[in-house]
Amino acid sequence: DAGVIQSPRHEVTEMGQEVTLRCKPISGHDYLFWYRQTMMRGLELLIYFNNNVPIDDSGMPEDRFSAKMPNASFSTLKIQPSEPRDSAVYFCASSSSGGDNEQFFGPGTRLTVL
Amino acid sequence: RKEVEQDPGPFNVPEGATVAFNCTYSNSASQSFFWYRQDCRKEPKLLMSVYSSGNEDGRFTAQLNRASQYISLLIRDSKLSDSATYLCVVLTGGGNKLTFGTGTQLKVEL
Repeated sequence: DAGVIQSPRHEVTEMGQEVTLRCKPISGHDYLFWYRQTMMRGLELLIYFNNNVPIDDSGMPEDRFSAKMPNASFSTLKIQPSEPRDSAVYFCASSSSGGDNEQFFGPGTRLTVL
Repeated sequence: RKEVEQDPGPFNVPEGATVAFNCTYSNSASQSFFWYRQDCRKEPKLLMSVYSSGNEDGRFTAQLNRASQYISLLIRDSKLSDSATYLCVVLTGGGNKLTFGTGTQLKVEL
């Protein structure tokens, strides 16, 4: 298996632009998680899905952030409009309810908002 | 108070040293515990689970004290390749949702 796939790996954009981050979880995993990591705040859970349904979005910072999972093999995290304080590394992770709770992370998307 | 607290370090140790990291968690209902490792500019990866009786994996030993809500990781005979950030992780409630500490940075030097 290729593991969790994220795209793009790097994104530089200007304040006010829309940003879309993409994730393909490991095949067969029924949980998908979006995290944000910064030096100041560490790794923060933004939202997670189970069987494509959002379960907990309490970590989503504000209405500018939205996430979707239209099918078991694809999810997006959208920021519109983006702001400089959104600059961070965004990780997607997946896990299986039949496993031992181990989450497998993608390589992350490094987002810079100018 | 943060759900999972760790000393951020950095811990700078010579090669071959023994080093220990500690972590405390706030929710007494937490049921599973882990240590993840994150290399610079990489994603976190599971290092080991932490069991109530304590467990060992080669040079790494993890221990859990539920009464004190305290988790530890001991690394013996540290190698240069052990240099990384070690994240204390807790599972609380259902749903495979993990809570990560901010991590402890380890630098192993010649």
